[in-house]
Amino acid sequence: LAKTTQPISMDSYEGQEVNITCSHNNIATNDYITWYQQFPSQGPRFIIQGYKTKVTNEVASLFIPADRKSSTLSLPRVSLSDTAVYYCLVGDSTSGTYKYIFGTGTRLKVLA
Amino acid sequence: GAVVSQHPSRVICKSGTSVKIECRSLDFQATTMFWYRQFPKQSLMLMATSNEGSKATYEQGVEKDKFLINHASLTLSTLTVTSAHPEDSSFYICSAKRDRTDTQYFGPGTRLTVL
Repeated sequence: LAKTTQPISMDSYEGQEVNITCSHNNIATNDYITWYQQFPSQGPRFIIQGYKTKVTNEVASLFIPADRKSSTLSLPRVSLSDTAVYYCLVGDSTSGTYKYIFGTGTRLKVLA
Repeated sequence: GAVVSQHPSRVICKSGTSVKIECRSLDFQATTMFWYRQFPKQSLMLMATSNEGSKATYEQGVEKDKFLINHASLTLSTLTVTSAHPEDSSFYICSAKRDRTDTQYFGPGTRLTVL
């Protein structure tokens, strides 16, 4: 199973770039890497998804090395409203059925 | 696009009663829907996977007779917590995918409190 490991928490200041790394040593060939943001008492919100190399959208970038055993979510200039829990999710479809395992997530606190 | 709704957003019930939670994909057809449970300060835990028109697949440790899942159409899945007890109090979140390669889109969650 593609279990993920992330730092439990991070602090940053407004305007800084934040990089959150996730390790997923058992990622399968067909698995994509997806990052979500979750605020208290809300469902996770999709941020970005990638398979390899680099993906960028209007809110974040995702860096994936060639071996795909880790990935890094980069938030360019964080604001107070980015304070949330961030999860990386790797789908495990090796058994023919879906097996999504959320890791502990990273609790990001943005300070003024 | 890709909006998922849940109803109700929060529910309080007495121990022993059953509660139904609806999950709808509003602007797309979802071939697969997922149900998660999240306790305070913890991560999401996958409970079951349901495909339209077939029986749900439950994760190990999740009682299928207690958590009944119905995925009757491509836009609706329901989770019924039968004979709810205080330990079932949690935040229940559904998600939906259009197809196998699609990402999951999550609903806003339902806060269940069993007294």
